[in-house]
Amino acid sequence: KAGVTQTPRYLIKTRGQQVTLSCSPISGHRSVSWYQQTPGQGLQFLFEYFSETQRNKGNFPGRFSGRQFSNSRSEMNVSTLELGDSALYLCASSFVGGGGEAFFGQGTRLTVV
Amino acid sequence: AQKVTQAQTEISVVEKEDVTLDCVYETRDTTYYLFWYKQPPSGELVFLIRRNSFDEQNEISGRYSWNFQKSTSSFNFTITASQVVDSAVYFCALSDDFTGGGNKLTFGTGTQLKVEL
Repeated sequence: KAGVTQTPRYLIKTRGQQVTLSCSPISGHRSVSWYQQTPGQGLQFLFEYFSETQRNKGNFPGRFSGRQFSNSRSEMNVSTLELGDSALYLCASSFVGGGGEAFFGQGTRLTVV
Repeated sequence: AQKVTQAQTEISVVEKEDVTLDCVYETRDTTYYLFWYKQPPSGELVFLIRRNSFDEQNEISGRYSWNFQKSTSSFNFTITASQVVDSAVYFCALSDDFTGGGNKLTFGTGTQLKVEL
């Protein structure tokens, strides 16, 4: 059974640009969550999608957005990139959410220069 | 608001020693789940264990065991006979957001475990 796949693995962007990250969940999983990991702030919840609807949102500015497709694949977008957006972005999928085991991808390492 | 505290920033042990990672949590909810994840240098968070708030029974799974005590809001994790491959950052996490069945994890700051020969 394939795990959670995130693409790309590494990305370098210039300040002010926008970026789109992709996450393919484990087959059959309908919940996809996104997390940002930085040395200073640790692991922080961005948002969660379930059946194409955003079900939870963390405390991040509106520059961070996401969506989920009918096949449960999810994308997150960051517009007007700032240096502080440099981080490891992790995607997690789970079957139902609500305390279910979340399985994580290897992440996308975003560097903003 | 929920909070997870991992007071141990870094622990170093010699292979075959037992090591316990501490976790203290805060939540107002009576229904919640607690997790332990492992993050090796590759970056992927690997699920280890999960307990729900209604089950304080402590268990052993291979070299892993955990001690869940609601009275002290602690969820400690023990690795028995540690191995070099156990070297990683370990995160304790709490999920108490069940509104609409949501899945939102609040993580601690992690404990870096180094197992040396």
